[in-house]
Amino acid sequence: NAGVTQTPKFRVLKTGQSMTLLCAQDMNHEYMYWYRQDPGMGLRLIHYSVGEGTTAKGEVPDGYNVSRLKKQNFLLGLESAAPSQTSVYFCASSYSAGGTSYEQYFGPGTRLTVT
Amino acid sequence: QQQVKQSPQSLIVQKGGISIINCAYENTAFDYFPWYQQFPGKGPALLIAIRPDVSEKKEGRFTISFNKSAKQFSLHIMDSQPGDSATYFCAASLNSGYSTLTFGKGTMLLVSP
Repeated sequence: NAGVTQTPKFRVLKTGQSMTLLCAQDMNHEYMYWYRQDPGMGLRLIHYSVGEGTTAKGEVPDGYNVSRLKKQNFLLGLESAAPSQTSVYFCASSYSAGGTSYEQYFGPGTRLTVT
Repeated sequence: QQQVKQSPQSLIVQKGGISIINCAYENTAFDYFPWYQQFPGKGPALLIAIRPDVSEKKEGRFTISFNKSAKQFSLHIMDSQPGDSATYFCAASLNSGYSTLTFGKGTMLLVSP
C-alpha cells in the first residue's frame, strides 16, 4: 500500500502559468481533500470530494479548480498562477465504506513556488 | 472567522518535561476532536482523537483532556523526547465520515536534549 501519493513534489511556476497537481490513493477511500499550508496559517481546505464525480468548495477555493473523475484520483488545477498561491499543498483521503474511522491520511505534499 | 484557536504558536520543553498545547473551539456542533503531528517535510498524521462523551483519552505518553462546557481541549505529552519535536495541529469536525476538519494554526514543539 502506497497510501496517498502526490505528483509532483516540487514545482516553480511563473505568474500566469497553469498546472495540475495529481493526488492518488490506493485505500479505496470515498473522500478526498486538498489543503494548502502556509506559515502561521495552519492547514486550510481548498476543495474536497465526497465521491467519484463530486466536488465541493472549502475555505479558500478561489483560483483553484478540481476534478474527481476516478475514485482513486483527485486533481487540483491552477489556471493562472499567482504569487499568492505559493504554498505547500497537501492531499488527504478518508473513510472506507463500512469503516468507522474518520482519520484523514495525508500525502507528502507538493511545494509550489510562483514567481 | 477562526473556529479553532490554538496556543501557543511555539513551545520549547526540556527532555523529560511535559508539553501542553491548548485549543478552543466555537461551534458547539463539533463532536470529533483529533490531533495531528507533522514532522518537517512530511504530511500530517493522526496522533490521537477524542469524542465529547469522555473527558480524557490516553495513548502512551499522549493524553487529550476535553472540557465540553468550556469548549476547550488540550494535548499533554508526558516525558517529552527530542523525537517529539514536530508541529502539532488540533482540529474539530462534525461526527461524520465526510465532514471536513477545521484545523488550528499549529504549534511548533521543540524538545531540547
